[in-house]
Amino acid sequence: DTGVSQDPRHKITKRGQNVTFRCDPISEHNRLYWYRQTLGQGPEFLTYFQNEAQLEKSRLLSDRFSAERPKGSFSTLEIQRTEQGDSAMYLCASSLPQNTEAFFGQGTRLTVV
Amino acid sequence: GEDVEQSLFLSVREGDSSVINCTYTDSSSTYLYWYKQEPGAGLQLLTYIFSNMDMKQDQRLTVLLNKKDKHLSLRIADTQTGDSAIYFCAERQAGGYNKLIFGAGTRLAVHP
Repeated sequence: DTGVSQDPRHKITKRGQNVTFRCDPISEHNRLYWYRQTLGQGPEFLTYFQNEAQLEKSRLLSDRFSAERPKGSFSTLEIQRTEQGDSAMYLCASSLPQNTEAFFGQGTRLTVV
Repeated sequence: GEDVEQSLFLSVREGDSSVINCTYTDSSSTYLYWYKQEPGAGLQLLTYIFSNMDMKQDQRLTVLLNKKDKHLSLRIADTQTGDSAIYFCAERQAGGYNKLIFGAGTRLAVHP
């Protein structure tokens, strides 16, 4: 078990471009979460999947953001028409239903220029 | 409302104890967590406490929970330079899954 894996680790994009990030949770973890962390702040919850179902979305997740988990394993987070305010670390976490713990990946750092 | 607050910075001498404090507002929180983040890295879970406990000890780490005052603390005994990092307090809301509300983090600096 290699833990939660995120790809890419870093992404620099021009304003207005679309970006997509991938998260591979720990195998057999059916719960998956996306968080966003801006500089100097703690992570903020974005969305939660149980298997392939997206069960909660934060108000932070504007219409330009979409997350999917089509087969209940890996997940993608897409940001359309990126803005400078989207620059942040995007963290993915996974857990089992009986776990009290969520395990975080290393994150994808997005810089919008 | 949902709010977790922490002091922003703590400086300690190597070998001393560190105490990082946190206050939260949601009385329905089921679990409270301490995570560690080193520069450029993700979050590492250090320890957690269930809301009906008042203390948990795990090697050099001691967590104290005062549910009445909604106050959580993390004590690190014999602090080492490798403990230098940002420490986040987080509360897990009732609802059965790991939707966590994080504080802004406390930067711990350990000096010789």
